[in-house]
Amino acid sequence: GNSVTQMEGPVTLSEEAFLTINCTYTATGYPSLFWYVQYPGEGLQLLLKATKADDKGSNKGFEATYRKETTSFHLEKGSVQVSDSAVYFCAPYYGGSQGNLIFGKGTKLSVKP
Amino acid sequence: SAVISQKPSRDICQRGTSLTIQCQVDSQVTMMFWYRQQPGQSLTLIATANQGSEATYESGFVIDKFPISRPNLTFSTLTVSNMSPEDSSIYLCSVGRTSGNNEQFFGPGTRLTVL
Repeated sequence: GNSVTQMEGPVTLSEEAFLTINCTYTATGYPSLFWYVQYPGEGLQLLLKATKADDKGSNKGFEATYRKETTSFHLEKGSVQVSDSAVYFCAPYYGGSQGNLIFGKGTKLSVKP
Repeated sequence: SAVISQKPSRDICQRGTSLTIQCQVDSQVTMMFWYRQQPGQSLTLIATANQGSEATYESGFVIDKFPISRPNLTFSTLTVSNMSPEDSSIYLCSVGRTSGNNEQFFGPGTRLTVL
């Protein structure tokens, strides 16, 4: 079946460091790709998305590019802040009328001042 | 986006009892879903709540254990029946506006602890 593999955490960075969280997905069809973020004590929020190859999703300084050739959707940010501390989930959507989001295991990011 | 509220936000329950979780959306939506997030784990889809018909359950989840109602386009409930400590999780509802529009928005979640 379809699956997603996400970089395991936890990841601890200093403020203003560069962030990469790797995500790869199974290449069945052409899924839409999402990153969700869960801040401490809160629900999931959509961070960014890309719906076709070479699309770049961006939001709040985060970026991810839909790479069909490597089946990847790595999340990056050039300079992280303490407020970025959260759990990040990669989630491809493989289509169909059901809620067929496949969530990665999540990567916990802690940013130290 | 949609504003989604869930009640209760958290609860502590005794083994063998049942809890009903409510999900309210501020606008009509076509698709509503229920997820479970076990401690330290990712999200798993329980079922799709269909308006006016029975919910569609994912593999490993059954109606007797997780009955779902969807009386209209803005409201749904999930009941966790005959609870055991293994049911301790965060339960989240999510919504999507139209079938095929694959963007989903999540409620704040209900944190359930079963003793």
